[in-house]
Amino acid sequence: GAVVSQHPSRVICKSGTSVKIECRSLDFQATTMFWYRQFPKKSLMLMATSNEGSKATYEQGVEKDKFLINHASLTLSTLTVTSAHPEDSSFYICSADRRTSGTYEQYFGPGTRLTVT
Amino acid sequence: AQSVTQPDIHITVSEGASLELRCNYSYGATPYLFWYVQSPGQGLQLLLKYFSGDTLVQGIKGFEAEFKRSQSSFNLRKPSVHWSDAAEYFCAVGVGSGGGADGLTFGKGTHLIIQP
Repeated sequence: GAVVSQHPSRVICKSGTSVKIECRSLDFQATTMFWYRQFPKKSLMLMATSNEGSKATYEQGVEKDKFLINHASLTLSTLTVTSAHPEDSSFYICSADRRTSGTYEQYFGPGTRLTVT
Repeated sequence: AQSVTQPDIHITVSEGASLELRCNYSYGATPYLFWYVQSPGQGLQLLLKYFSGDTLVQGIKGFEAEFKRSQSSFNLRKPSVHWSDAAEYFCAVGVGSGGGADGLTFGKGTHLIIQP
């Protein structure tokens, strides 16, 4: 099956610093990748859609200057949390869109636990 | 905008018993429907999906789901659960076409507990 990896799996950073999270599709090319945020005991919330070679599309209420997304290749998208604050602590999950026979399916990474102290 | 409701936050089922997890969606047209399972420390794994055609969809691990347009539902079922099925289950809606994908809208999830 298709594999999506995320790195790091867990990161702790100090308030005010920036953190970069990588999302890679290991065995397929993904024109589109997605970034989600999952709060404890809550559902996944779509943050943004990352398109290879173009600007990301952010959902309403998500600060694009705070959550920088870069999709430089068909297998890599990065999310940078800039000037992180404790309220940014969360579980960040990426997914990659894979097309098969006229349908699509999102393959999810294992997630990155961000803790801002 | 679309939305997904999973009315049961927790469900406890005895091992070997049947299971049904409820999912209702709100969308103006027929959406693409998904069920995912999330185990601790694991990424979301797709159990099954509905795009079109037969409204009874078979998935992995013995799961199936039935799309009922009249009820805007896509309930997940399994005839006999195993202790390894204990996890968080998410229903999701996608509105992209085959030529383009949108991000998914998830329900809040149902936590499945298996009693021995």
